[in-house]
Amino acid sequence: DTAVSQTPKYLVTQMGNDKSIKCEQNLGHDTMYWYKQDSKKFLKIMFSYNNKELIINETVPNRFSPKSPDKAHLNLHINSLELGDSAVYFCASSRPGVREETQYFGPGTRLLVL
Amino acid sequence: GDSVTQMEGPVTLSEEAFLTINCTYTATGYPSLFWYVQYPGEGLQLLLKATKADDKGSNKGFEATYRKETTSFHLEKGSVQVSDSAVYFCALNDFGNEKLTFGTGTRLTIIP
Repeated sequence: DTAVSQTPKYLVTQMGNDKSIKCEQNLGHDTMYWYKQDSKKFLKIMFSYNNKELIINETVPNRFSPKSPDKAHLNLHINSLELGDSAVYFCASSRPGVREETQYFGPGTRLLVL
Repeated sequence: GDSVTQMEGPVTLSEEAFLTINCTYTATGYPSLFWYVQYPGEGLQLLLKATKADDKGSNKGFEATYRKETTSFHLEKGSVQVSDSAVYFCALNDFGNEKLTFGTGTRLTIIP
């Protein structure tokens, strides 16, 4: 029983293409997140959604558009992919508004833009 | 804003050595503090956490104590194993921010 799952695990694509990454959690959490991990392993928040509403957008280019069809899913769509988008993207979930709450992470999607 | 400063790696130790990975933070509020671990090719897993001053988080032989006076949350383990080889991330969650702010990560390699 995977708590937070992501598909695909690997994604190799050409510059200029549009791609999506899907995330699902079965923990009953209201809040979901997308993080980007660069080649130096640095992790940074991209988006946060609470019960399908966007609450954090950390100056991410508007080529990135999160979509939350319901509170168990938070998908990430990327338009016009660039070389610099190559990274590992992690989805996470937690209960909202509780600072001591643990965030649970998915296994990551490794995106390589050629 | 919030930030986490973490000991630069990589760190290489022999099996059964003592481990310390330093972590200090700045926060506008009263954050919760976390250590996450990332094994090769995997996602992040919570290793331990502490939510208030002087709390000690512990798991799998690892410990870290929330020191408000020094704004630190150093990770320690008395005797490391090869299986501890991973990247370790210190992180904080400041109340109301609803996001984790991570340190840069420390790659740990344990040699037999």
